Amino acid sequence: DTGVSQDPRHKITKRGQNVTFRCDPISEHNRLYWYRQTLGQGPEFLTYFQNEAQLEKSRLLSDRFSAERPKGSFSTLEIQRTEQGDSAMYLCASSSRTSGVFETQYFGPGTRLLVL
Amino acid sequence: GENVEQHPSTLSVQEGDSAVIKCTYSDSASNYFPWYKQELGKRPQLIIDIRSNVGEKKDQRIAVTLNKTAKHFSLHITETQPEDSAVYFCAARSISNSGYALNFGKGTSLLVTP
Repeated sequence: DTGVSQDPRHKITKRGQNVTFRCDPISEHNRLYWYRQTLGQGPEFLTYFQNEAQLEKSRLLSDRFSAERPKGSFSTLEIQRTEQGDSAMYLCASSSRTSGVFETQYFGPGTRLLVL
Repeated sequence: GENVEQHPSTLSVQEGDSAVIKCTYSDSASNYFPWYKQELGKRPQLIIDIRSNVGEKKDQRIAVTLNKTAKHFSLHITETQPEDSAVYFCAARSISNSGYALNFGKGTSLLVTP
């Protein structure tokens, strides 16, 4: 499968614990995005990388959230001291700058987080 | 920032009928409008998109129209089939942002009954 992959697909954790998610973009896609989707809502933008540089962060990305893309390939999203309100589907997407300005974002299957 | 409104939230049609989903956006600088289809438990998948320099685009049974003056765009699905049942999301991207983030509507749950 050459699409965007995410791991794990499901995560159950207790409030206060830290969790980390991984995203592997489509090979050679230089742009990578994280979105959060709650039930009955559309995806909400969290943050965006171009290569290894984090270029934009949403106000939704509180201090408890941190994202990295150390080598410009895979990315990790860490949530510290999880809260019940963090329960959501965390989606990763990637795109290629070589496609031009109007580039398609391809989504991964998501990581569903449940905070008890 | 950009705000995207989507209507209706649910839509039920009979197989063979047409379905129309409408979205409005707030930022006149938005220039790219994709539509995604999300089946239950699956990832969002792009079905069609339109750029701000185009008024209409068609791909087989799916078409999208854009009215820049009114800041709204619509998805039209003709000859609907049961496999079209899914949640559809519109999105807009504004060049006012420093990046390429998409702003999504809340989705339309489409049910096509045989």
